[in-house]
Amino acid sequence: EIVMTQSPATLSVSPGERATLSCRASQSVSSNLAWYQQKPGQAPRLLIYGASTRATGIPARFSGSGSGTEFTLTISSLQSEDFAVYYCQQYNNWPTFGGGTKVEIK
Amino acid sequence: QVTLKESGPVLVKPTETLTLTCTVSGFSLSNARMGVSWIRQPPGKALEWLAHIFSNDEKSYSTSLKSRLTISKDTSKSQVVLTMTNMDPVDTATYYCARSTNQGFDYWGQGTLVTVSS
Repeated sequence: EIVMTQSPATLSVSPGERATLSCRASQSVSSNLAWYQQKPGQAPRLLIYGASTRATGIPARFSGSGSGTEFTLTISSLQSEDFAVYYCQQYNNWPTFGGGTKVEIK
Repeated sequence: QVTLKESGPVLVKPTETLTLTCTVSGFSLSNARMGVSWIRQPPGKALEWLAHIFSNDEKSYSTSLKSRLTISKDTSKSQVVLTMTNMDPVDTATYYCARSTNQGFDYWGQGTLVTVSS
């Protein structure tokens, strides 16, 4: 099983600031990496797939990068609706999710 | 419009078998480029993938839960069914079904909270 590790667990950011979230895979997943956003009481929402491709309707302030074992999700200027929990997930093998990063208001 | 909706019991007793149904619309379960997974999330915790079924009826399961899980589909009813045997309080979670493509899980159901308690 490929283990996905996200850091930090919690990120405190002020509105308008940049947020950088990290995800590491225990072995290479190539670019088979997705990012999801989850708000309380809601299902996850696909943000990024293929490590760097935004899903339909996702604002350009969300960007993904990386390949192999190291990945990054960047939110360029945090809006109020972006405060949520973010998960990475690899689909190079049977799917596994990271533990999540909570982005909270500073 | 693609939708998925989970249904099943909200409360099960320890040792009982859980049966959940995912009813999909807006796409066909016979579409070769798509499949359906079940994913769960204990309260306040991370997501955990459970099982997947492909359009050709091939199935895959979480290694840690494989002995307890069965996934199946009825294409004519647009339904995917998950059964989990020998339920335990640690299985209390919100259970989601999600459509899978080669771009991750692009559509999710709203989820259904299942509590395991006597």
